Amino acid sequence: EAGVTQFPSHSVIEKGQTVTLRCDPISGHDNLYWYRRVMGKEIKFLLHFVKESKQDESGMPNNRFLAERTGGTYSTLKVQPAELEDSGVYFCASSPGTSGRNEQFFGPGTRLTVL
Amino acid sequence: RKEVEQDPGPFNVPEGATVAFNCTYSNSASQSFFWYRQDCRKEPKLLMSVYSSGNEDGRFTAQLNRASQYISLLIRDSKLSDSATYLCVVNSNGGSNYKLTFGKGTLLTVNP
Repeated sequence: EAGVTQFPSHSVIEKGQTVTLRCDPISGHDNLYWYRRVMGKEIKFLLHFVKESKQDESGMPNNRFLAERTGGTYSTLKVQPAELEDSGVYFCASSPGTSGRNEQFFGPGTRLTVL
Repeated sequence: RKEVEQDPGPFNVPEGATVAFNCTYSNSASQSFFWYRQDCRKEPKLLMSVYSSGNEDGRFTAQLNRASQYISLLIRDSKLSDSATYLCVVNSNGGSNYKLTFGKGTLLTVNP
């Protein structure tokens, strides 16, 4: 079974540009999450989708970040315009079912560098 | 105070050593507890869920003390392949909120 995949693996952009990250969850997983690790800090939650609906977006830093999951399959996270402090590793995770105890399976991450 | 705090590390131990990781969490309403492992430049992977009664998986033992809001992970007979960052992770909300809160991680290096 394929795991969570993310694209691109790396992205280097200049401040003010736009970047779109993509996540493909494990097939059949209704729950999809975005997390971010900024250098030197812990991994932090950004948001949680259940199918195509945003269940919790309390971790989104500001309105420069827009996440979508049209059709309840893959998700995109767009940063527009990017700022220097947006640099970090963006992880996507997915989980099945309706329990917070279920394992969240993480993708390999997208390493974003904003210059 | 951070929501999840771990030993800052790093830990350097010889093969065969026993090593213990400690973690505290601030939200007494936390529902689920986990240890994740993260290899260098890789994604976090679930190592163990942690239950109130304590649980063991081979060389790994996890303990939870809800009264003290304390979680531990013990690795016995450590192997070179155990070298990684160990992340203490808490799901602080029940119901339909599955947000995970991570500690900063403790780096373990097992030396030959």
